[in-house]
Amino acid sequence: EVQLLESGGGLVRPGGSLRLSCEASGFTFSDYAMNWVRQAPGKGLEWVSAIVGGGSNTYYADSVKGRFTISRDNSKNTLHLQMHSLRADDTAVYYCAKDRLVIAEYCFDSWGQGTLVTVAS
Amino acid sequence: EIVLTQSPATLSLSPGERATLSCRASQSVRSYLAWYQQKPGQAPRLLIYDASNRATGIPARFSGSGSGTDFTLTISSLEPEDFAVYYCQQRSYWPPTFGQGTKVEIK
Repeated sequence: EVQLLESGGGLVRPGGSLRLSCEASGFTFSDYAMNWVRQAPGKGLEWVSAIVGGGSNTYYADSVKGRFTISRDNSKNTLHLQMHSLRADDTAVYYCAKDRLVIAEYCFDSWGQGTLVTVAS
Repeated sequence: EIVLTQSPATLSLSPGERATLSCRASQSVRSYLAWYQQKPGQAPRLLIYDASNRATGIPARFSGSGSGTDFTLTISSLEPEDFAVYYCQQRSYWPPTFGQGTKVEIK
């Protein structure tokens, strides 16, 4: 059974930084692209970032490009999202989502339970 | 960026009834459209991918259809656990985008 467990969320001040992690199990982690998708309180879903199975290619939404960095450690089955220069509109539940293929196909077939990031002073 | 417009915003139905949800794309996304279900306090769950393919473990009462700009998710007979918010999502054009959601509530 695929399991994705996010951690690292919390309260951070505007301009601050935070690092999210997602620990994966139940599948061969390196065989799949991974994504971060976020959901602001009471709002819809927004794709944030993707990384291919081998980690060589990364992709970002315009809203986070230059501020967020996605990475993965396939030896530890872990996905990360390093977030800098955080703004109030980054406040959201951040979900780790597994892609259907090794490339970034953007079809999210398994999701973690999410970790809440709150940016406020 | 592709805009997905879902209708209606809210659908009020009784258990056992048929639910028909619509998703319209601002331009053709071919068949690269997925549907997700989200219950309160839970993560989304993939129901349908590539317009009409049920994801692993999804009951047969869920079906998807359409191509191009107009898509439909049908729940043939609503079970109590089906009352939730449903999102469509396209992956034909980068960036992948989601619709704003349709809430299926108990009448």
